[in-house]
Amino acid sequence: EAGVTQFPSHSVIEKGQTVTLRCDPISGHDNLYWYRRVMGKEIKFLLHFVKESKQDESGMPNNRFLAERTGGTYSTLKVQPAELEDSGVYFCASSLQGAPLHFGNGTRLTVT
Amino acid sequence: GENVEQHPSTLSVQEGDSAVIKCTYSDSASNYFPWYKQELGKRPQLIIDIRSNVGEKKDQRIAVTLNKTAKHFSLHITETQPEDSAVYFCAASKGGYQKVTFGTGTKLQVIP
Repeated sequence: EAGVTQFPSHSVIEKGQTVTLRCDPISGHDNLYWYRRVMGKEIKFLLHFVKESKQDESGMPNNRFLAERTGGTYSTLKVQPAELEDSGVYFCASSLQGAPLHFGNGTRLTVT
Repeated sequence: GENVEQHPSTLSVQEGDSAVIKCTYSDSASNYFPWYKQELGKRPQLIIDIRSNVGEKKDQRIAVTLNKTAKHFSLHITETQPEDSAVYFCAASKGGYQKVTFGTGTKLQVIP
């Protein structure tokens, strides 16, 4: 089966610009998560979708971050406007109910 | 919410020695504890997991132990090999459609 795919793999933008990250989960996985790893730190939870609904968005840093999951399929994470502290690797993961997470390769975001 | 602490942050061992990574969690309702390995530049991948109805699980050179009373769990790698070098993350979840909370990661270096 195809794994979780994310793109772009890398993005370099200037402070104040907008970036949209995309995640295609494994087909049939109701759970979709967004995580962020800042250099040397934990994989920090951002948001959890169950199908098209936001189950938990307690980890979203602020209202500059907007996540959507249209029709319960792929998901996008938009950062607008980007700030320097938004730099990091953004991981998407998907899973069946109560099952292990399958991670994508991540998007490395650099805000200059 | 759940808080997962992980120690040590870095660990160097000689090839053939054992490595132990320890984690504690705060939410007594957590019942699923996966461990992920992230090699440099790659996605985190599940290596072993344990549910709260068992105290120990083993898979070849890897074992995980769980102490529900003390709310801590550990990863044990025996006969370490250079390819075990990576960052290891512990995590905890209440299962079902609940989010997965990660520890801060342990960078393991196996010295040939």
